[in-house]
Amino acid sequence: GAVVSQHPSWVICKSGTSVKIECRSLDFQATTMFWYRQFPKQSLMLMATSNEGSKATYEQGVEKDKFLINHASLTLSTLTVTSAHPEDSSFYICSARPAKAGRTDTQYFGPGTRLTVL
Amino acid sequence: QKEVEQNSGPLSVPEGAIASLNCTYSDRGSQSFFWYRQYSGKSPELIMFIYSNGDKEDGRFTAQLNKASQYVSLLIRDSQPSDSATYLCAVIFTSGSRLTFGEGTQLTVNP
Repeated sequence: GAVVSQHPSWVICKSGTSVKIECRSLDFQATTMFWYRQFPKQSLMLMATSNEGSKATYEQGVEKDKFLINHASLTLSTLTVTSAHPEDSSFYICSARPAKAGRTDTQYFGPGTRLTVL
Repeated sequence: QKEVEQNSGPLSVPEGAIASLNCTYSDRGSQSFFWYRQYSGKSPELIMFIYSNGDKEDGRFTAQLNKASQYVSLLIRDSQPSDSATYLCAVIFTSGSRLTFGEGTQLTVNP
């Protein structure tokens, strides 16, 4: 149980284009999903917290107009990198927190999406 | 001072030995603690979570929590080469719901 998928697993795009990454919780409902970015040999950096049906909360320094997050259902959140540039090349990872009674703070991670912007 | 601090390593142990990974955190009121394993090029995988003081065992893994000392550790018994990875300690502070990660400890188990 507690499987999270991401699509695509990798993407190469040209500078200036937009890329959409999907994050799905396959066997549970998630009221909250998180988006992280990880550069080589660094730890995960939280970009934003996404709650179903409401606007995402962005971490300090993350441009909300550049990284568009939509959490339209209890099993799907999307991250769109708009007008991507080479410095946006990174490993983007989502996580989901199950919506169930009791302790609900465990996060399960998707497999990640490796973005390369040429 | 970092909010979640781990031994940066790298830590190297022989196959079959016990690997000990340590983590300290700054928020005394924290209640939720997690250990994730991350293989190179992959996303983190949850190994264990612990909420109460003491030990929690799951197979070859034991998490230990001491809230008074603000310390959480992970022991891996009978280490295997497949355990070679970066281990991330994560804490949920009392101020919110986000995970705060340590920098990770890179573990190498030598055959």
